[in-house]
Amino acid sequence: AQRVTQPEKLLSVFKGAPVELKCNYSYSGSPELFWYVQYSRQRLQLLLRHISRESIKGFTADLNKGETSFHLKKPFAQEEDSAMYYCALSSGAGSYQLTFGKGTKLSVIP
Amino acid sequence: GAGVSQTPSNKVTEKGKYVELRCDPISGHTALYWYRQSLGQGPEFLIYFQGTGAADDSGLPNDRFFAVRPEGSVSTLKIQRTERGDSAVYLCASKIGGGNTEAFFGQGTRLTVV
Repeated sequence: AQRVTQPEKLLSVFKGAPVELKCNYSYSGSPELFWYVQYSRQRLQLLLRHISRESIKGFTADLNKGETSFHLKKPFAQEEDSAMYYCALSSGAGSYQLTFGKGTKLSVIP
Repeated sequence: GAGVSQTPSNKVTEKGKYVELRCDPISGHTALYWYRQSLGQGPEFLIYFQGTGAADDSGLPNDRFFAVRPEGSVSTLKIQRTERGDSAVYLCASKIGGGNTEAFFGQGTRLTVV
C-alpha cells in the first residue's frame, strides 16, 4: 500500500529564514511525487512535481529514493509562502490517483 | 476559461437524508476524480472517471456512495442515508487525459451532516 507521511503539522519560521517541509513516502514501485499548496481561501493547486525538476516560487524538492523522501525547501521564506502544503504520491499507473499526506501548515512570521 | 466548479459550496443535511454534490470539470478534461477531505487530513481518493465510465471506484467507502458522469463532463457524487461521519469537504479534480498530467481542483463542497 502507498503512504505519504508529513511529520510536521505546523511549521513556523521567520521571514528570510530557510524552510524545509518534510515528506516521506512508502511505495514499492517507482512513484511520482508532487507538492500541492493551498493558500487561505483558495483551492488546492500544484506547486511542483519531481519529474519536472524545476523551481517554483523559489521552492525546490529532490526525490531521494534511498531515504524515500521528497522534502520541500526554500532558502528564504516570504510572508506570502504562508499556506497549507500537501505532499502527494501517484502510482504512475492505472488511475493515477493521488495519495496525500496530512499536510503541513507553514506560517511565516514577519 | 473557468476552472473546476463545484456546487453547492456548503451543504447542511440531516442524518439519514440523501445528498447530491455536483462537479463541472474544465472543458475538454476527460479525467475526473472525487476526493474526500476530513478535518485535519489530506484528501483521500474516492473514484476516478475516464470519460463516462468509472474506471476506478476502489476508494468509495461503502455502497451508500455512488457517482455518475453520464455525458463525460459534469459528474454528480450521490450519498444515501447520510451519517455524521460523512461530514467532510468533497473535492473534485479534472485533468487532460490519463497519465500524470496536472490535476486541477475545485473549491470543494463542505458537507455537514447534523
